[in-house]
Amino acid sequence: EAAVTQSPRSKVAVTGGKVTLSCHQTNNHDYMYWYRQDTGHGLRLIHYSYVADSTEKGDIPDGYKASRPSQENFSLILELASLSQTAVYFCASSVTGSGNTLYFGEGSRLIVV
Amino acid sequence: GEQVEQLPSILRVQEGSSASINCTYENSASNYFPWYKQEPGENPKLIIDIRSNMERKQTQGLIVLLDKKAKRFSLHITDTQPGDSAMYFCAARAPLTGNTRKLIFGLGTTLQVQP
Repeated sequence: EAAVTQSPRSKVAVTGGKVTLSCHQTNNHDYMYWYRQDTGHGLRLIHYSYVADSTEKGDIPDGYKASRPSQENFSLILELASLSQTAVYFCASSVTGSGNTLYFGEGSRLIVV
Repeated sequence: GEQVEQLPSILRVQEGSSASINCTYENSASNYFPWYKQEPGENPKLIIDIRSNMERKQTQGLIVLLDKKAKRFSLHITDTQPGDSAMYFCAARAPLTGNTRKLIFGLGTTLQVQP
């Protein structure tokens, strides 16, 4: 099974501070994604990437940046964290091509105070 | 934007009975429909999927049905067990454009199987 690891698993950040969530996958997948999960909103796509050094906007990119320095690593950056960004964040990866099975990491719980 | 509607949001069933979750999608060009299960405190995991060239798929007590004309697909869990209690998400793959590979998720269904 695909191995996707996230760090930190939990973080408390102050409003206006910078937060970086990191994701690492070891299965040679081309595609990586950052999703946000909130009660009542399901899973919403923030950013994704299909190749190193390139990122694409998802459905809710405002307030977030992403970085894909290598095929294995994909980071989500909150330059100025806000209360509304309190959520659980999931990284995921998938192989290129049909099927698009997502392998999710364990999630990062972010609380902004 | 494109949406996937999922109902019900909460589903309570007795152990041994069946459970059904229904989803509808907007774009008739969608061609891939996976279902993910998320147990409390864990990450979502794929449990079954169906492609647009099929109308029915079954595996290990799970049945998915796809009605392309109605733009509707559903998950049926037969003989539910306490271990089936979890959040279930349906999703639809948006039409492929360039390198786009996006899934649109429903809001989820909390299934509670009562002994």
